[in-house]
Amino acid sequence: GAGVSQSPSNKVTEKGKDVELRCDPISGHTALYWYRQSLGQGLEFLIYFQGNSAPDKSGLPSDRFSAERTGGSVSTLTIQRTQQEDSAVYLCASGPGPRRDTQYFGPGTRLTVL
Amino acid sequence: AQSVSQHNHHVILSEAASLELGCNYSYGGTVNLFWYVQYPGQHLQLLLKYFSGDPLVKGIKGFEAEFIKSKFSFNLRKPSVQWSDTAEYFCASYGSSNTGKLIFGQGTTLQVKP
Repeated sequence: GAGVSQSPSNKVTEKGKDVELRCDPISGHTALYWYRQSLGQGLEFLIYFQGNSAPDKSGLPSDRFSAERTGGSVSTLTIQRTQQEDSAVYLCASGPGPRRDTQYFGPGTRLTVL
Repeated sequence: AQSVSQHNHHVILSEAASLELGCNYSYGGTVNLFWYVQYPGQHLQLLLKYFSGDPLVKGIKGFEAEFIKSKFSFNLRKPSVQWSDTAEYFCASYGSSNTGKLIFGQGTTLQVKP
């Protein structure tokens, strides 16, 4: 079956611009996660959605980062006023739920902030 | 803070050599442990996981891992590596708190020489 998809695969932006990254989870998965992968920082958790519950935003690095999940499916990660340190690969994962199940990762969006 | 540590950052082996990659986690209680692999240009894929039961877990492509609670370890092994095993390997865990956040180790880059 179809896996997790993310778009765009690559995004180059100028410092100070806003960007939106999209994630389509595996159909039927109730859990959705965002991570960031960067050199020197490894894989960092950003945010977690489970069904209709309030999301766990504990990993968001600043208030410039936000995410939403519409209709319990597609998710958008928004970064406002991008900075060069935001350059990284942003990974989305989904899981069948409940918590503590396997997470299935998408191919990621490589964000470069000039 | 809870953490996952991988001892080897870069491993170089010849084909047919045996592999063991170390992974330690920093907390007690119930753990859910994973090994993920990222082949060049591809997304993270699950190799194997441990939730409970037999502490010797077998995964895909001939990999196995052993959960040793007394040593807080979950080392990955393969008796004979192939050139196609060249990839980056990540150990991860959910940790002891009731959260959907996966904590990743720093990753180990494995290079297999033909």
